[in-house]
Amino acid sequence: EDQVTQSPEALRLQEGESSSLNCSYTVSGLRGLFWYRQDPGKGPEFLFTLYSAGEEKEKERLKATLTKKESFLHITAPKPEDSATYLCAVPSYNQGGKLIFGQGTELSVKP
Amino acid sequence: DTGVSQNPRHKITKRGQNVTFRCDPISEHNRLYWYRQTLGQGPEFLTYFQNEAQLEKSRLLSDRFSAERPKGSFSTLEIQRTEQGDSAMYLCASSPRGYEQYFGPGTRLTVT
Repeated sequence: EDQVTQSPEALRLQEGESSSLNCSYTVSGLRGLFWYRQDPGKGPEFLFTLYSAGEEKEKERLKATLTKKESFLHITAPKPEDSATYLCAVPSYNQGGKLIFGQGTELSVKP
Repeated sequence: DTGVSQNPRHKITKRGQNVTFRCDPISEHNRLYWYRQTLGQGPEFLTYFQNEAQLEKSRLLSDRFSAERPKGSFSTLEIQRTEQGDSAMYLCASSPRGYEQYFGPGTRLTVT
């Protein structure tokens, strides 16, 4: 069964304190791994797509990397405005592209 | 704004009432998805359309739920005889092809 697990569930950082979020996945055939940012009360906002092991994508203070079993979202020198829940997801292999999401990591960055 | 839009943004209803939500996808996106999200969890798939055809429904979608996408444009999700367990955020996403999905702001349903 396709599965996505994220850790930690919550992460508290001081402004400028770099860290990483983990996303482990099990899927029959990887057709991409997606990272989203979700602010409270809003829909997920698309951040990155990664397609193959070794691939990296960057956006401002965020960098996403992918291996054959997991993905990392590295946050460098975070700011309070980076506080949000970060979700990762993979498309289910056989079923029309529906996304299987992890439970998310709630990031809080204090000034 | 050419993103996915959803209406209403919030809905409070009494148990047993029917509710209907609307989603307008990004124009020219032929795939449209509905998800449900509860507090502290990631979104869970409910159903999806390719153009006007509903191609898959989750086991989460009981007989009280129905979705339509007439003419392959906007979509509606109706919940009949709402229950307190239906309280959640209902999210709509659209996709041109491939697998990247773009989400709307969601409809927050509260059943009292």
